[in-house]
Parts: sequence; structure tokens; C-alpha cells
Amino acid sequence: EVQLVESGEGLVQPGGSLRLSCAASGFTFSSYAMHWVRQAPGKGLEYVSAISSNGGSTYYADSVKGRFTISRDNSKNTLYLQMGSLRAEDMAVYYCARCSSSGCDYWGQGTLVTVSS
Amino acid sequence: SYELTQPPSVSVSPGQTARITCSGDALPKQYAYWYQQKPGQAPVLVIYKDSERPSGIPERFSGSSSGTTVTLTISGVQAEDEADYYCQSADSSGTYAVVFGGGTKLTVL
Repeated sequence: EVQLVESGEGLVQPGGSLRLSCAASGFTFSSYAMHWVRQAPGKGLEYVSAISSNGGSTYYADSVKGRFTISRDNSKNTLYLQMGSLRAEDMAVYYCARCSSSGCDYWGQGTLVTVSS
Repeated sequence: SYELTQPPSVSVSPGQTARITCSGDALPKQYAYWYQQKPGQAPVLVIYKDSERPSGIPERFSGSSSGTTVTLTISGVQAEDEADYYCQSADSSGTYAVVFGGGTKLTVL
């Protein structure tokens, strides 16, 4: 059974940093691109970042470029999102998702990032 | 920046057909994907590559594409279909330049 489990939920002050993790199981992690998608309270889905299967290519939404870093450790079947210079508008539930040309077919349960002083 | 446009809301009675549209300039060249999201839950993929249905998704869900507009059709809507629906695609620059539409709230009257 495919499972994606996010962790790293927390409260952080504006300007602070936080690292999210996504532990994958039930599939060959190294064969899939992985994505982070977020959803602010009461708002729609927003694409955040993506990384290719071998980690060689990454993508960032303009809203997080230069502040967030996506990475993966295929030996640990884990995806990461290092978030820095956090702003109030970064407060959201963050989902990791397994994606391919057939869409994002598996999603984690989401982890909440709260940015507040 | 590239945008996908969806109507904020659609309402239908049980048993009727719901159609949710998504418009974007790059849709003739890029596939569209549709996700269903119920309150407090993660999104679920219901249509991929414009019109393909993942295993486990009921046959009443279908997708189509025409020019710059893609459409999610739910035939014989059931109460359990009440949810937010999001289209997803990419701009013309590359695979990872992904964007979501603003979402459509489907209300089953």
C-alpha cells in the first residue's frame, strides 16, 4: 500500500525556518517525481515545489523561490522541504504528493505550518 | 503568470449532470488533471490526461477537452460528490511549471 506521511508541523515566527519531511513507502520512491502543494486556511490548492526522481531537477513557485529548498534522499525514501524567511502568507497545510504524467495519484495527509509572532 | 480559470460554484440536484469548466491558454498543448477534495481531506485524482479515469473512480466522472477549455462532467450526481474540484495543468514552459485552478465548489441541492 502506497503511503506518504508528512511531518515537521509547527508554529514559527515570521522570518523563521522549518523543515518538512515526507516519508514514502509502498512503491519505488526513486522512480517518481515528488511535489509539495499547500493550502492556506479556507483557500485553494497552490503548487509549491517539485523535484525529479533522481533529484537532478527542481521547480519552485515564484512565491517561494529563493526561500524554500526541496530535496530528497532516495536511500531513505524521504522528501524534504526546507522553508526559510517564512511569512504570514506561507501559513498553510502542506501536502506531499507522488506525481507522474498520470497525475498526482497519492497524497499525504498534510501537515500544518503556522507562521505567527 | 499562467492561470487556470474555474467557476467558483456549481449547484445541481441529485441525479442531474454537473459540468465544471476550466480555461487556460496552454490547455490545447498541455494535459489537464482534475482533483476532488472534501473538507479536511487530501485531494483525490479523479481525471488525468484530460479524459482518463484512474482505477477506483466511478464511471460517472468523465473529462473532455475543447480548445482552451477542459470540462469535468459528473453524470447522475450523488450527495457524496459534494466537494471542491480543482483542475491542474502546466504552462507551456515545462513539465514542472504546474498550476491549479481556483477551485469549484460543487453543491448537491
